[in-house]
Amino acid sequence: DTAVSQTPKYLVTQMGNDKSIKCEQNLGHDTMYWYKQDSKKFLKIMFSYNNKELIINETVPNRFSPKSPDKAHLNLHINSLELGDSAVYFCASSHLGDSTTPQETQYFGPGTRLLVL
Amino acid sequence: EDQVTQSPEALRLQEGESSSLNCSYTVSGLRGLFWYRQDPGKGPEFLFTLYSAGEEKEKERLKATLTKKESFLHITAPKPEDSATYLCAVQDVGLTFGTGTRLTIIP
Repeated sequence: DTAVSQTPKYLVTQMGNDKSIKCEQNLGHDTMYWYKQDSKKFLKIMFSYNNKELIINETVPNRFSPKSPDKAHLNLHINSLELGDSAVYFCASSHLGDSTTPQETQYFGPGTRLLVL
Repeated sequence: EDQVTQSPEALRLQEGESSSLNCSYTVSGLRGLFWYRQDPGKGPEFLFTLYSAGEEKEKERLKATLTKKESFLHITAPKPEDSATYLCAVQDVGLTFGTGTRLTIIP
């Protein structure tokens, strides 16, 4: 199936650990994103990658680092996990227009539920 | 800074009772207004994109409209399977989402 997929679906870990979440898309898109959805269900952009270059870097802690081995993958590495990192993390992908063209639709993965104990 | 405000926060309707959800936005240059549906435990599912004031789009019982300051998602004769959280977002650099409207349709 054509889609955005994420692994793992659930991740339970201890404070201070380092973990990674993987994302893959087979939609042929050139841009991928990571969003965080907090306990109040508010979705907020964290990062995006276009052609292996970081084009958005919101004010997230530098413990979070996106890594894109190729156009179809964008992984999220988190170092020294903290209790406040507990949330659902969503990956998304789209074609990226420029400032003068309409934005194409972003398609989301199923989410990774991270719980830090 | 882009802002998106959705109302109401929650809405309970009887099956067949039509209503509208509101999304008010402020953005420096609108490159698209997006509606998504999110079911519990799942990722947002794309519904509509609107690009300019006056534009309308329809899909089954849903119709989205856009003005220069807000968008409405009209739900006509809803069914229980329409129960979900409906999210509105605008595009600047990445999507800026509202907090959503949690819609419950009672059989």
